[in-house]
Amino acid sequence: SQTIHQWPATLVQPVGSPLSLECTVEGTSNPNLYWYRQAAGRGLQLLFYSVGIGQISSEVPQNLSASRPQDRQFILSSKKLLLSDSGFYLCAWSPYGTQYFGPGTRLTVL
Amino acid sequence: SQQGEEDPQALSIQEGENATMNCSYKTSINNLQWYRQNSGRGLVHLILIRSNEREKHSGRLRVTLDTSKKSSSLLITASRAADTASYFCATNTNAGKSTFGDGTTLTVKP
Repeated sequence: SQTIHQWPATLVQPVGSPLSLECTVEGTSNPNLYWYRQAAGRGLQLLFYSVGIGQISSEVPQNLSASRPQDRQFILSSKKLLLSDSGFYLCAWSPYGTQYFGPGTRLTVL
Repeated sequence: SQQGEEDPQALSIQEGENATMNCSYKTSINNLQWYRQNSGRGLVHLILIRSNEREKHSGRLRVTLDTSKKSSSLLITASRAADTASYFCATNTNAGKSTFGDGTTLTVKP
């Protein structure tokens, strides 16, 4: 069966520091992969999605970037974090339509 | 604005009662999904209903879709304290991309 992993689970970073969040999927090939951010009490904002290795689409302009170096690996990065980058980051994969989410990373930027 | 918007924002009921949540959207869709999120966790897929379907059931869940009104409802029958969570609808208009609403927070009191 398919599983999706995210790490770390929680992260506290100072403003201006770099960021790297990793997501990996097991048990499937060539999945669509997604990064979402969720503000407290709100829905999910799609940040990036990828339909294949090296293929990244950005939905919202910001100081974040994403990369997909391997078929089942999706990385969210930033060179310099802002206070507004705080939130709950969720990775998801999808065969089609239905999305399967990882456990999320709680990021606090101080 | 959000493609999917849930109503009400918050709902509090007693165990054993039924809970109904609604979702409205603006554009034509391929399918609509409902997800559940426990506090601080990732989203869990509950049910997907396609645009040519009007009703689907899964255990204590019943989902309806009215494409003429661009709306959907999620009914949870005989609610339990463990149903306490946030519920999100997501619409899928292009292959592999979903747009989420801000969710309904359901509290089931024992």
